[in-house]
Amino acid sequence: ETGVTQSPTHLIKTRGQQVTLRCSSQSGHNTVSWYQQALGQGPQFIFQYYREEENGRGNFPPRFSGLQFPNYSSELNVNALELDDSALYLCASSLWLAGAGYNEQFFGPGTRLTVL
Amino acid sequence: AQSVAQPEDQVNVAEGNPLTVKCTYSVSGNPYLFWYVQYPNRGLQFLLKYITGDNLVKGSYGFEAEFNKSQTSFHLKKPSALVSDSALYFCAVSSPSGGSYIPTFGRGTSLIVHP
Repeated sequence: ETGVTQSPTHLIKTRGQQVTLRCSSQSGHNTVSWYQQALGQGPQFIFQYYREEENGRGNFPPRFSGLQFPNYSSELNVNALELDDSALYLCASSLWLAGAGYNEQFFGPGTRLTVL
Repeated sequence: AQSVAQPEDQVNVAEGNPLTVKCTYSVSGNPYLFWYVQYPNRGLQFLLKYITGDNLVKGSYGFEAEFNKSQTSFHLKKPSALVSDSALYFCAVSSPSGGSYIPTFGRGTSLIVHP
């Protein structure tokens, strides 16, 4: 059983650019969530995808968008980068079972994004 | 809206002593509560969860947590701390509100275990 992987590990961009971060879910998982973790803060929920559909969104502007693919891998896209977007971006996968009630999430190592 | 408070930015404990990392929460309905640990430059690792049942939950690496509904708390505990337990600890709460179970994380508590 493989864990959650993310790429790239580190990324440096300049303000106004666009970035795509990638996540490969843990085998057998059908749900993926993305979080932004600023320095000294807890993870903040960006959005969640279940079966390729957005299934919840946090308080982030539309320039944060995502995709989930049939193999349950996922992308996070951020347009028009701002300095405050500098953070660790975490991907978490889980198995959603209707009626099961909870999502135990398994996190990847994260992508460290620096916006200059 | 749901929220989590971790009132201590840092907890210091001597190796071999018991440790407690505090967490209180606010949520509508029954809470689902989680503890995660984060080592430097790493993602979060799941430690334990409370969904229902016994108020004392046992998790990985000898950690346990006690759910106290009246005090809306879910403190993380370990009887004997190890230097290797030094890390950042996050408490999280979610609920079935809207069917999404999206968790809210606290700001984290840095645990430092001294030799």
